[in-house]
Amino acid sequence: KNQVEQSPQSLIILEGKNCTLQCNYTVSPFSNLRWYKQDTGRGPVSLTIMTFSENTKSNGRYTATLDADTKQSSLHITASQLSDSASYICVVSDRGSTLGRLYFGRGTQLTVWP
Amino acid sequence: EADICQTPRYLVIGTGKKITLECSQTMGHDKMYWYQQDPGMELHLIHYSYGVNSTEKGDLSSESTVSRIRTEHFPLTLESARPSHTSQYLCASSERLAGSPGEQYFGPGTRLTVT
Repeated sequence: KNQVEQSPQSLIILEGKNCTLQCNYTVSPFSNLRWYKQDTGRGPVSLTIMTFSENTKSNGRYTATLDADTKQSSLHITASQLSDSASYICVVSDRGSTLGRLYFGRGTQLTVWP
Repeated sequence: EADICQTPRYLVIGTGKKITLECSQTMGHDKMYWYQQDPGMELHLIHYSYGVNSTEKGDLSSESTVSRIRTEHFPLTLESARPSHTSQYLCASSERLAGSPGEQYFGPGTRLTVT
């Protein structure tokens, strides 16, 4: 069964600190992996996208890594800001359908305190 | 920046009422999607469309229906709302890309509460 598991479920950090969020998946055949940021009451917004051959991708203070062999990904946030408080969702796409089916994790709820 | 709109943003309605959630995109995307999301849970696909006059049911069974008469418009309708329909509904769209699933752009969502 295609699944995406994220950890931790929630995380509280102080402003300025770094943090790392984890994502494990069993989706096959793998097409790509995205990290989305979802603010409360809003739709998800894409942060990074990685294909099978990419190991790391950065977007400002966000750096995502992918290990396609172990089917693990991480999202590292550097020098956190209050505006980083949101849910971070790992989304994996398969190659097996023209629809490009997406498999969503439940997200990690990040809270940044001043 | 993608432009996909959903209205209303918030809706509180009584049991048995008929409701339509609107979704519009101005990017000319062929594919459109409706997801349902409960607090702390993952998004579940309830409907999708490959283009005009194409609609399909998603992974999660839903009593709602959709239509796709125009490329830019993908409304979702509940004929008789029930408290179990209380949830957040997210609309998304993507380009049709050969050999690769295009990125999905999400609207801001509609928070539906049925009393």
